[in-house]
Amino acid sequence: SQKIEQNSEALNIQEGKTATLTCNYTNYSPAYLQWYRQDPGRGPVFLLLIRENEKEKRKERLKVTFDTTLKQSLFHITASQPADSATYLCALDYGTDKLIFGTGTRLQVFP
Amino acid sequence: NAGVTQTPKFQVLKTGQSMTLQCAQDMNHEYMSWYRQDPGMGLRLIHYSVGAGITDQGEVPNGYNVSRSTTEDFPLRLLSAAPSQTSVYFCASSYRTPSSGNTIYFGEGSWLTVV
Repeated sequence: SQKIEQNSEALNIQEGKTATLTCNYTNYSPAYLQWYRQDPGRGPVFLLLIRENEKEKRKERLKVTFDTTLKQSLFHITASQPADSATYLCALDYGTDKLIFGTGTRLQVFP
Repeated sequence: NAGVTQTPKFQVLKTGQSMTLQCAQDMNHEYMSWYRQDPGMGLRLIHYSVGAGITDQGEVPNGYNVSRSTTEDFPLRLLSAAPSQTSVYFCASSYRTPSSGNTIYFGEGSWLTVV
């Protein structure tokens, strides 16, 4: 069965640095790979999506890459701020009705 | 737009009791789904619906029922609550396009404790 892995350890970085989060998967590459943000006590919020035939996608301070050879997506937040502190989830979308979610990586940005 | 609204926010049940988690969306999305989120397990799909009158099982459907009589509403019923159903439940709605895939909009969550 398909597996998806995100680093379960929290990522702690200093304000102003670039945060990089990793999402690895096994078996087949998804048609789309999505990233969500989840704050404590809240539901996940969609951030970015990258398609299988795309290498990189940007939105403001966010950048997502997708390497189907490595079976990996990287999620970057440049010039990070304490307000970026949250848990970030990646999700695999194979074009069916169901997404497969990772367990998320908690990011802590300290001043 | 309110987006996805789910109630109640918090609920404590005794083992064996039944209850319904309500979910409504005002975005006219065809897809709706219920997830549960447990520490270290991530989001797991319970049931989903691709349109009014159509429902299907997800990864962890046992102990839960759903129905979809309208596009807007998708209630989740716990038939006989068990401590293993203590979790955070998220309702979601989504739409699919070739450019956006299946982009999901989540509700704020319902914290359920079964004692």
